[in-house]
Amino acid sequence: DGGITQSPKYLFRKEGQNVTLSCEQNLNHDAMYWYRQDPGQGLRLIYYSQIVNDFQKGDIAEGYSVSREKKESFPLTVTSAQKNPTAFYLCASSTPMRGLNEQFFGPGTRLTVL
Amino acid sequence: AQKITQTQPGMFVQEKEAVTLDCTYDTSDPSYGLFWYKQPSSGEMIFLIYQGSYDQQNATEGRYSLNFQKARKSANLVISASQLGDSAMYFCAMREGQKDSSYKLIFGSGTRLLVRP
Repeated sequence: DGGITQSPKYLFRKEGQNVTLSCEQNLNHDAMYWYRQDPGQGLRLIYYSQIVNDFQKGDIAEGYSVSREKKESFPLTVTSAQKNPTAFYLCASSTPMRGLNEQFFGPGTRLTVL
Repeated sequence: AQKITQTQPGMFVQEKEAVTLDCTYDTSDPSYGLFWYKQPSSGEMIFLIYQGSYDQQNATEGRYSLNFQKARKSANLVISASQLGDSAMYFCAMREGQKDSSYKLIFGSGTRLLVRP
């Protein structure tokens, strides 16, 4: 079955440590995205990538970094520069080849910084 | 400036009744798309329905329909015959530009729907 996997589901880290969240898709989608969701709020775009080896900042990129070395993988690193990293992180992918170019989402990673 | 507004933080509906979730948007781009996603307590976002700005008919997808009023810039989601499994957060989102050239989605703050048995 095609889909998006994110690991781990829950992640705990000490303040000041960098942490990398995994996102893998086997949908053969060109575009991938990272969103952050805080309690009771909508999604905010962190970074997105339309093609391998290329990515753009979203609305809240400060304190985050990404890479896109492979089409199926788009890992997100939450750095120590991110002032309030505790949140729910969602990865998504899409392709314009599929009519609406709607985004498909992974199950998310809940990051807690202690 | 906020481009997607969902004014109902929470809604209740009786099982088997219909419910309307409100969404208004703001854009100067004549070409745009509007999406509704459902987020159950598990956290995953599930795509429900899409409306393109040039679509002549209101979108429908099973029990979901979109009441698209372009002049009012509203795209309300109507869920008919509510089921207990419909209890979730619902997000309205907008993409500006042509579907094959624009990738960014802007999300509203969401509406929490609770279906009562």
